[in-house]
Amino acid sequence: DAGVTQSPTHLIKTRGQHVTLRCSPISGHKSVSWYQQVLGQGPQFIFQYYEKEERGRGNFPDRFSARQFPNYSSELNVNALLLGDSALYLCACSLVPGYNTEAFFGQGTRLTVV
Amino acid sequence: QKEVEQNSGPLSVPEGAIASLNCTYSDRGSQSFFWYRQYSGKSPELIMSIYSNGDKEDGRFTAQLNKASQYVSLLIRDSQPSDSATYLCAVSAADSNYQLIWGAGTKLIIKP
Repeated sequence: DAGVTQSPTHLIKTRGQHVTLRCSPISGHKSVSWYQQVLGQGPQFIFQYYEKEERGRGNFPDRFSARQFPNYSSELNVNALLLGDSALYLCACSLVPGYNTEAFFGQGTRLTVV
Repeated sequence: QKEVEQNSGPLSVPEGAIASLNCTYSDRGSQSFFWYRQYSGKSPELIMSIYSNGDKEDGRFTAQLNKASQYVSLLIRDSQPSDSATYLCAVSAADSNYQLIWGAGTKLIIKP
């Protein structure tokens, strides 16, 4: 069974551009969360989706948006890129959001904004 | 503001010794506790989860949880050079839809 897959793995964009990151969860995992990790820090929560509905949003500007598709895959969109958006973007999936549910991560997308 | 605190390290441990990693959290409502290992440039990998007070052992790893003290730790026995990585502590709670709140991680170095 395939693990969590993210695409692309690396990306270089220019300030002001738009980017779309993609995530395919483990089969049967219906909850997808997005995190941003800046070098030297722990991941910061961006969004959580479950059954195609947004279940949570972190403290990120409206330039960040996401959605989940009927097959439970997800996209993270970032508009008007800033240099500070350069980070490792992580997608995590779990069966359901819950007390004893473990989250598994994809390999991440390394975004560099120049 | 819910916070998770970890000593950033680096923590240097001789090969074969026990590495002890610690984490404290601010939210008394936290219910689920996780340790992830992250190699440089890679994504976090789940190594232990713990949900009730006490110890949980899995191979060379033991997680310890004390909810009264809001403290969770990870012990790595017989440390190997391949254990050298950053260890991230994460907690979650029902009132935040089980979003993971993360510490900044402790860098562990195992010296041969």
